[in-house]
Amino acid sequence: DQQVKQNSPSLSVQEGRISILNCDYTNSMFDYFLWYKKYPAEGPTFLISISSIKDKNEDGRFTVFLNKSAKHLSLHIVPSQPGDSAVYFCAASGANFGNEKLTFGTGTRLTIIP
Amino acid sequence: NAGVTQTPKFQVLKTGQSMTLQCAQDMNHEYMSWYRQDPGMGLRLIHYSVGAGITDQGEVPNGYNVSRSTTEDFPLRLLSAAPSQTSVYFCASRDRLDYEQYFGPGTRLTVT
Repeated sequence: DQQVKQNSPSLSVQEGRISILNCDYTNSMFDYFLWYKKYPAEGPTFLISISSIKDKNEDGRFTVFLNKSAKHLSLHIVPSQPGDSAVYFCAASGANFGNEKLTFGTGTRLTIIP
Repeated sequence: NAGVTQTPKFQVLKTGQSMTLQCAQDMNHEYMSWYRQDPGMGLRLIHYSVGAGITDQGEVPNGYNVSRSTTEDFPLRLLSAAPSQTSVYFCASRDRLDYEQYFGPGTRLTVT
């Protein structure tokens, strides 16, 4: 039972354009969401997060949108750069800071075409 | 700060062998976790610890043991390796009051 789903295994975007990565979840108890970026042969690194009390969080070129009613979040990267080519994981957690059960999606491989 | 370090980077085991994957962090984080990454499966939580002396099971704990005797170290033990344990293993840590986890570089394990 995949509680966090990233239905697009891969995405190719032209440099300078917008990249949109999507994530859906099924567990209504999730209320904190994170995006991680992973380069080959490296561990994931934190990118941006959003709490369920917000519907948008922005950090430079990266914006995460949350639609709680649809149980959907998306990551927008504008403008896309070659260094953004990586695998992006969506992750979700419950409200309790002591809850270590961070649930990850299967990842989307983003390729930025120069 | 070295962050989260893992050793070894690569390991090949025969079925039935045992080994310990090492993980250390120098950020004084209370929370540490082990994940495995398999193709098409994302990262799945194996075991975690909320402080020295306290550990608990995650989503896929079978075949793995952990202990936490110090804040810095959180080793993962495979008692009798099986081909199903072929995977990339990541250790992570975080502060008690923060959701963001810091990951190590990973250990690629192959069991033949």
